Amino acid sequence: EVQLVESGGGVVRPGGSLRLSCAASGFTFDDYGMSWVRQVPGKGLEWVSGLNLNGDSTGYADSVRGRFTISRDNAKNSLYLQMNSLRAEDTAFYYCARGGYRNYFDLWGQGTLVTVSS
Amino acid sequence: AIQLTQSPSSLSASVGDRVTITCRASQGIRSALAWYQQKPGKAPKFLIYDASSLESGVPSRFSGSGSGTDFTLTISSLQPEDFATYYCQQFHGYPPTFGPGTKVDIK
Repeated sequence: EVQLVESGGGVVRPGGSLRLSCAASGFTFDDYGMSWVRQVPGKGLEWVSGLNLNGDSTGYADSVRGRFTISRDNAKNSLYLQMNSLRAEDTAFYYCARGGYRNYFDLWGQGTLVTVSS
Repeated sequence: AIQLTQSPSSLSASVGDRVTITCRASQGIRSALAWYQQKPGKAPKFLIYDASSLESGVPSRFSGSGSGTDFTLTISSLQPEDFATYYCQQFHGYPPTFGPGTKVDIK
């Protein structure tokens, strides 16, 4: 089955760090750029970060640049998002999505909730 | 960043109705537009790419049109499973951006 499965969400204090993971299966992972998209509960969608096939070209939303780092391990069919210096406004569902930062997103994971709260 | 607006922000419709949602870009994006459907508690589902190309497996009652700055998503005959929020997304400019969404609920 073609799918993306996120993990790593949870509750973290402001200023803290969290690492999200996304496991891909059912397709040739290194044929695709990948992205993270987030959604504050009850609100709209916001692209966060994306990278190309081999991970040597990355992009970030202004709201997270310098705090978040996207990476991938093609040998493990996995995508990651390292989130540092977390703020309350980073609280959201984080979705892993197939598609790079200049593309549409044709496959989505189920999402993982990140809550930043003291 | 390219801004997308959607209208209406919400609408009420009945099963069998024809529904049209509009997405407008703040600058020309050629045909680099996608549409997604999202139901409560679920991830977005990819529907349409390149403004008018239907993703495999998506019912043919969904269609998209437009180019440049003005785009539409049409559901020709609304079905019970179509009640959801719909988002447009542009991938012509960087960063990719989404519209604010249009909620379609039951009249």
